Amino acid sequence: DAGVIQSPRHEVTEMGQEVTLRCKPISGHNSLFWYRQTMMRGLELLIYFNNNVPIDDSGMPEDRFSAKMPNASFSTLKIQPSEPRDSAVYFCASGPDKPWEQYFGPGTRLTVT
Amino acid sequence: SQQGEEDPQALSIQEGENATMNCSYKTSINNLQWYRQNSGRGLVHLILIRSNEREKHSGRLRVTLDTSKKSSSLLITASRAADTASYFCATASWNNNDMRFGAGTRLTVKP
Repeated sequence: DAGVIQSPRHEVTEMGQEVTLRCKPISGHNSLFWYRQTMMRGLELLIYFNNNVPIDDSGMPEDRFSAKMPNASFSTLKIQPSEPRDSAVYFCASGPDKPWEQYFGPGTRLTVT
Repeated sequence: SQQGEEDPQALSIQEGENATMNCSYKTSINNLQWYRQNSGRGLVHLILIRSNEREKHSGRLRVTLDTSKKSSSLLITASRAADTASYFCATASWNNNDMRFGAGTRLTVKP
């Protein structure tokens, strides 16, 4: 298995632009997680899905952030409009059912100028 | 919000020495996990210990869990330069279907 796949690996965009991050989880995993990592705030859970259904999105910073999982093999995290403070590394992780061992993708480094 | 808190925040040792990192948490847990993150990479799962377990081994890794103190420790024996990374603990609670990560311990192993 190729592991969790994220694209793009790097994204540089201007403030106000829409950004879409993509994730392909490991086949057979039922859960998918989106995290954001910064030096200041560490690793933050943004949202997680179980069987394609969003279970907890309380970590999503504000309405500018949205996430979808249209099927078991694909998820997106969208930021519209983007702001410089959104600059971070965004990780997607997938896992089998509980006890929630997670497999992380390589991350997308987002820079908003 | 973060659940686990690792200490120390940073640790520097010589190759061959043992490294011990600690994690404290606040709420009741189902299990606790340790992950490693190399610079610029995603986190890699190392070991999981369930709430009814007290100690677990995996290669050079030894994890202990004390639920009465709400704390865990990760011991890396005979450290190598390749062990240089950040180490995170993550807790999975009984009530929530998610995991919460701590801020991590940055380990540097000098050759």
